[in-house]
Amino acid sequence: GAGVSQSPSNKVTEKGKDVELRCDPISGHTALYWYRQSLGQGLEFLIYFQGNSAPDKSGLPSDRFSAERTGGSVSTLTIQRTQQEDSAVYLCASSLGTSWNEQFFGPGTRLTVL
Amino acid sequence: GESVGLHLPTLSVQEGDNSIINCAYSNSASDYFIWYKQESGKGPQFIIDIRSNMDKRQGQRVTVLLNKTVKHLSLQIAATQPGDSAVYFCAESLVEYGNKLVFGAGTILRVKS
Repeated sequence: GAGVSQSPSNKVTEKGKDVELRCDPISGHTALYWYRQSLGQGLEFLIYFQGNSAPDKSGLPSDRFSAERTGGSVSTLTIQRTQQEDSAVYLCASSLGTSWNEQFFGPGTRLTVL
Repeated sequence: GESVGLHLPTLSVQEGDNSIINCAYSNSASDYFIWYKQESGKGPQFIIDIRSNMDKRQGQRVTVLLNKTVKHLSLQIAATQPGDSAVYFCAESLVEYGNKLVFGAGTILRVKS
C-alpha cells in the first residue's frame, strides 16, 4: 500500500520568504509527527498530532514555525520568514496511534534557504 | 535524508560477518526503543523495536538488546550483507508523552564485499 508521502521533495527559497511543506500520512494513521534532520543537530522532534490536535509543540524552534492538520489526514508545516539555519531535511512520520506503535517515515523535504 | 555529518562513528564489516551497533540512550524513564536504518536520500526505515520490560528481542537477522542498568541498546545484524550499508539510528520514547522519538547521533555501517 502507499506509504507516507511528502511534497515538495526539494525546496530552494530565499531568506525571508515563507514556505509550506506537506505531509500525506498513511490512511488510517491517527498520529502524525514532524522531525527535522540537519548536519549540526541530527534528527530532532518538532511537533506531533493526534487527530487534528497538537498535544506537543515543544520541538518547534521558534514562533516562525507552525503546523496544522485538517481532517485527521494531511498536515502542513509552515515556516515564515525563513532563515539560513532553517536549511535541513524535514521528515514526516505517521503511526496508528501514539502508543507502542511503529512510526513510518516519509522521504522528507530538503529545504535550502539561500 | 542526511546523516549527522560531523563525527559519526563508522563500523566497517566484511560481508557475511556479524555486526554490532551500540547506542547509549539518555532518559532512564524511556519505555520504548526503536532501531531505524536510513539510506542516502531516504527517510528512516523501521528495523526492530523493544519495550522496556524486555531485554532482548529477535527479528529476521536482527537482534536488539536492552540494558536499562547502564542505559545501553545494541543492534546485532547476523550475516551482514552489502544492502545493510546505511546509517543506523537508535531512538527512545516515553509512550505516555505521545511516543515522540528522541534519536541518537547515528552510526554508519559499511559492508565490504
